[in-house]
Parts: sequence; C-alpha cells; structure tokens
Amino acid sequence: SAVISQKPSRDICQRGTSLTIQCQVDSQVTMMFWYRQQPGQSLTLIATANQGSEATYESGFVIDKFPISRPNLTFSTLTVSNMSPEDSSIYLCSVLLAERRTDTQYFGPGTRLTVL
Amino acid sequence: DQQVKQNSPSLSVQEGRISILNCDYTNSMFDYFLWYKKYPAEGPTFLISISSIKDKNEDGRFTVFLNKSAKHLSLHIVPSQPGDSAVYFCAASGDGSGNTGKLIFGQGTTLQVKP
Repeated sequence: SAVISQKPSRDICQRGTSLTIQCQVDSQVTMMFWYRQQPGQSLTLIATANQGSEATYESGFVIDKFPISRPNLTFSTLTVSNMSPEDSSIYLCSVLLAERRTDTQYFGPGTRLTVL
Repeated sequence: DQQVKQNSPSLSVQEGRISILNCDYTNSMFDYFLWYKKYPAEGPTFLISISSIKDKNEDGRFTVFLNKSAKHLSLHIVPSQPGDSAVYFCAASGDGSGNTGKLIFGQGTTLQVKP
C-alpha cells in the first residue's frame, strides 16, 4: 500500500483567488490522479498527473483552471484558479503503485475547499 | 451520461444481518471493478475488486458478485457490523485504450448498520 498526505486538509477562500493543493506519497509511484467530489456527488476525475510532462485532462477540465505539476515520482500539486463558489468541493489525489491498470488505486485524505 | 450507477442512495440494516449494495454500469468496455468505503473527512479506502473474467471474489466478510450480461455488480457484507457504516462507492475502469488507470465512480450508497 501507500501512505498519501494532502495539504491543506481544508481551506476557506474568497472568490477570484487561487489555492494550491499538495499531494505527497511515501514511495515512488507511476501514476497519480486528481479527483473532485462536489457536495452530494460522486468522485470525478480531473486529470492524470504525468511525471515530467503536461497533465492529461478529462473532458470539462482545462489546464488554465486546474494547473497541475508533478516534478517527481512522489509529489504533485493541483491549483484551483480564479475560484468561484461552484469550486467548493473535496479534492483528492490518488496513486497507482505499478504499471498495471488493475492495481489498486489508493486515495489521499482529501482537501475540503469552501469558496465564499 | 452516468456510466456507473448506484440507484440506492442509502441502506439500513441490523447488525449481524447481510448488507447488499448494488451497482449497474452501461459501458461494456469496463473490465475491472472496485468497491471503496468512505468515512466522513477521509479519503476512499479500497475494499475489494473483481476482474471481468470472474463472477465472484471473496475477502473475509466482503464478497463482490459480477453479472456481465446484466452489467450489474453487488457487494455483500456478512455479517454486517456497526463499523461498516459508511458511504460505499463502486468504480469501474477499462475503455479499450490501454493503461489509463482512470476510474469511473458511482454516486455512492450510505450504509447504516444499527446495533
């Protein structure tokens, strides 16, 4: 398994500002992902964070709004830019420990974001 | 387009009885299915998974059944315990494009196990 930490655990932000969320893993992983869970909704994949290259975004999510960095195999950041109340969600990072798609994804504890 | 659906938002069972959580999917390309449990203020925790080449996988009190023809899977918890009270998500992966690791989640079912 993997131990995943996220910072901050929660934040309250003003609209128009940006917040960067950090995800740290205790071991090197091949694939890292960022998900969003809006209130009362399911988890939705935002993007796959690729080490050393640009992230791969899912339909409905764009780099200008959710820039992602992944400088090495244990760390990634997600920035929520120019926030609005609709961005209020739980943001989660997850990791796959190996190449095989059927390996288990492990999730971090999440960052609860409230935008006023 | 909700590719993975959990039609029961909540379920309440008595301690010691069986809990059955259901999940339906529409995409026939899905070939790997997982169940996660989520407590408030925590990230989802992996419970059990099943590949499409199987129709049953068991791990202790947890069993997942897959019916590919019906595009339906279920999670059985026997016996149910109060500590099982949480939100349960089913997830699916596989789109024929290779190793994406992308998971599609259902909406979740809140299970309450009463003492």
